[in-house]
Amino acid sequence: NAGVTQTPKFQVLKTGQSMTLQCAQDMNHNSMYWYRQDPGMGLRLIYYSASEGTTDKGEVPNGYNVSRLNKREFSLRLESAAPSQTSVYFCASSEVPKPRLFGQGTRLTVV
Amino acid sequence: KNQVEQSPQSLIILEGKNCTLQCNYTVSPFSNLRWYKQDTGRGPVSLTIMTFSENTKSNGRYTATLDADTKQSSLHITASQLSDSASYICVVSFVSGGSYIPTFGRGTSLIVHP
Repeated sequence: NAGVTQTPKFQVLKTGQSMTLQCAQDMNHNSMYWYRQDPGMGLRLIYYSASEGTTDKGEVPNGYNVSRLNKREFSLRLESAAPSQTSVYFCASSEVPKPRLFGQGTRLTVV
Repeated sequence: KNQVEQSPQSLIILEGKNCTLQCNYTVSPFSNLRWYKQDTGRGPVSLTIMTFSENTKSNGRYTATLDADTKQSSLHITASQLSDSASYICVVSFVSGGSYIPTFGRGTSLIVHP
């Protein structure tokens, strides 16, 4: 099925551990995004990639790095996880001006 | 500062009833406004999109309105169903450097009871 696929769906990390969240889309979209969603807050943009080979910081980039591996894949890396990074992470892709298509989310808990 | 405010924060209605969700924004320059539906544990799914020149857009039982002068939008749900229970997110975008930059509201949590 066409869409945005995120892995893993759930993850528990210890403070200081590192991990990479994977995202892939098969719709040939140019733009891809990483968001975090916290209780009582709207989705906040972490990083985005307007096209293959480019990445830009969003609203809350600190503590994260991204890689646009190719047109399909956009990964989010936590180098040293902190409890404040406990959140639900969503990857999305779009072909402007069409709406973003979101993945199912990754629920991350940092203890 | 670009902001999107949604009200109410949460809403409980009985199945079959209508309801209206509100969205006020200060995003400028305005490009478009979207309403998303987010089921629990899922990613948001787009319901409607409106540009500056559009003041109403329907998608089945969902009807969105836009007043660009007062910077207000509403999402009206007709004859609610249990499956309408979800969070509804208003997203207002502006264009900067060739990219659409969205500002997300915090959402309205809707619960439909039988």
